[in-house]
Amino acid sequence: QSVLTQPPSVSGAPGQRVTISCTGSSSNIGAGYDVHWYQQLPGTAPKLLIYGNSNRPSGVPDRFSGSKSGTSASLAITGLQAEDEADYYCQSYDSSLSALFGTGTKVTVL
Amino acid sequence: EVQLVESGGGLVKPGGSLRLSCAASGFTFSNAWMSWVRQAPGKGLEWVGRIKSKTDGGTTDYAAPVKGRFTISRDDSKNTLYLQMNSLKTEDTAVYYCTTFQINSSGWYEDYWGQGTLVTVSS
Repeated sequence: QSVLTQPPSVSGAPGQRVTISCTGSSSNIGAGYDVHWYQQLPGTAPKLLIYGNSNRPSGVPDRFSGSKSGTSASLAITGLQAEDEADYYCQSYDSSLSALFGTGTKVTVL
Repeated sequence: EVQLVESGGGLVKPGGSLRLSCAASGFTFSNAWMSWVRQAPGKGLEWVGRIKSKTDGGTTDYAAPVKGRFTISRDDSKNTLYLQMNSLKTEDTAVYYCTTFQINSSGWYEDYWGQGTLVTVSS
């Protein structure tokens, strides 16, 4: 059972802005561990989307942005596009250095 | 280009064993820390474990559900990562992904992922 909680689903029309929250605790995100985000398109392997709370790997559009505050983090997608329809997962760590993944959020483009 | 290709998945009975392999290319495998992550059908991602590079000690860490049953190893001469799975349970049924593991000032994270291999544990 994941200790990083995400909304099961979010949706938006093309061009809109959507945000996905990732809520942890003082044992993980709140302890200062960085948050990373992964995108999993239907039927494919996950792909790194945001690392170190707010950094984008080469090739990731600047429509995707991340932030972290306290015991939570957020992923924002601005100018939503049909190809953004996917599952999104946050990730952080706890003091035992075990990787923790969020519960996952399905983004639907209306 | 980084490539990770998993193999070895299949159907196995509860209590059985299976060894997964991950062939790596496009980077200096011997210097890389590597991870395994799994995803049960229709479910989210779950970290399985990681192995450090030999120059960093070559030690392993495991998630609680697999500790004592799974073993991660590497053969740097073959650029290959392994996951030995023993005493398999039905709840181990999942797609298993091999990943590279990055450690830097931006944190610890899985940066490149293979396509995954399906392990089904069923009688």
